[in-house]
Amino acid sequence: DAKTTQPPSMDCAEGRAANLPCNHSTISGNEYVYWYRQIHSQGPQYIIHGLKNNETNEMASLIITEDRKSSTLILPHATLRDTAVYYCIVPILLIAGNQFYFGTGTSLTVIP
Amino acid sequence: EAGVAQSPRYKIIEKRQSVAFWCNPISGHATLYWYQQILGQGPKLLIQFQNNGVVDDSQLPKDRFSAERLKGVDSTLKIQPAKLEDSAVYLCASSTQPGTYEQYFGPGTRLTVT
Repeated sequence: DAKTTQPPSMDCAEGRAANLPCNHSTISGNEYVYWYRQIHSQGPQYIIHGLKNNETNEMASLIITEDRKSSTLILPHATLRDTAVYYCIVPILLIAGNQFYFGTGTSLTVIP
Repeated sequence: EAGVAQSPRYKIIEKRQSVAFWCNPISGHATLYWYQQILGQGPKLLIQFQNNGVVDDSQLPKDRFSAERLKGVDSTLKIQPAKLEDSAVYLCASSTQPGTYEQYFGPGTRLTVT
């Protein structure tokens, strides 16, 4: 099962920053935090991942607390196309590779 | 590059019938995954292939579900016989190798069992 906790839903005004929190209090030292999103009727899409340092790419920023027990995904200027379910995932590390267990995520609605 | 292809996109069957889904991963991707997504829930991993070998199928209901990836490219997921609770979206994903951070998902097949 997913080892993360997210709020079920959030709203954000278009053009404003969307800050999506995630708790992963049982994360271990070598486990990464991944974020995916799923727009309605599409498959999930990778956004970003990080271990302990803050990360930024063209889609979003990821802020991980110093104790690594929580993180925040930031969409700096939300648009209507960012309306989606956002999943915070701590994969299970297996010899054969990471396995992603998706929870129910946060349903983000960007409001015009 | 072309994405992950899946067919059909939609399928409606009656319970106890059989159904098959097809997935063509991104060219060169050795790892292929099948997920089941029930309405209102996140995707649940059913089976993971590395080339043509099964890496993990611990969550695959093997009494009715089967999957194969002959020649390490395309994959087929079959349900026989289907139950009402199998109604879901079946997602296929691929990645370059196990352990990589990014899985590429297809659009999914929406199955309705009546």
